[in-house]
Amino acid sequence: AQSVAQPEDQVNVAEGNPLTVKCTYSVSGNPYLFWYVQYPNRGLQFLLKYITGDNLVKGSYGFEAEFNKSQTSFHLKKPSALVSDSALYFCAVRDDGNNRLAFGKGNQVVVIP
Amino acid sequence: EAQVTQNPRYLITVTGKKLTVTCSQNMNHEYMSWYRQDPGLGLRQIYYSMNVEVTDKGDVPEGYKVSRKEKRNFPLILESPSPNQTSLYFCASSPLRQNTEAFFGQGTRLTVV
Repeated sequence: AQSVAQPEDQVNVAEGNPLTVKCTYSVSGNPYLFWYVQYPNRGLQFLLKYITGDNLVKGSYGFEAEFNKSQTSFHLKKPSALVSDSALYFCAVRDDGNNRLAFGKGNQVVVIP
Repeated sequence: EAQVTQNPRYLITVTGKKLTVTCSQNMNHEYMSWYRQDPGLGLRQIYYSMNVEVTDKGDVPEGYKVSRKEKRNFPLILESPSPNQTSLYFCASSPLRQNTEAFFGQGTRLTVV
């Protein structure tokens, strides 16, 4: 069965600094990887996904993520964080053996003005 | 507008009183799923459905039931709610292809006293 690990509970970063949120995954087949963001009292919003091809994926709001097959990682990045990026971020994975979408525990990102 | 609609958004109930949380999507998606979100545990899958009349257990199915009689609807049923089912619940839907992202409802905050 597929699984996702997000090792840090909270990530603190100063406004304007680079932001990285870590994610590693485990699947039995080929992975399809997703990042979602959750703002307070809201549902989850899709940010970006890796399906195949270029390992660097660009998504909404200036976010990007880098897929690394050898390290089974899919870290989310943003070159310059904004206070409005403060939210809960979830990494998720599907594999090509089944359709189940498995989520990590989530990372709370706090961007300090 | 493409959306996943959950009702109710907020619910307070007493132990043992049967309840149903409805979920409806207007995107003709085959795949639908229920998750619960708890602090420190992230999103855990309760049940999922690949199509009409096809449902399967997720990671935490105990105490829950689902049905999929129509493609657009996927209700979550708690036959005898208990306080440990107090949580934030999300419904999600997507096409059946593994490389597609899921769409989420706004969430249902359930409190069982």
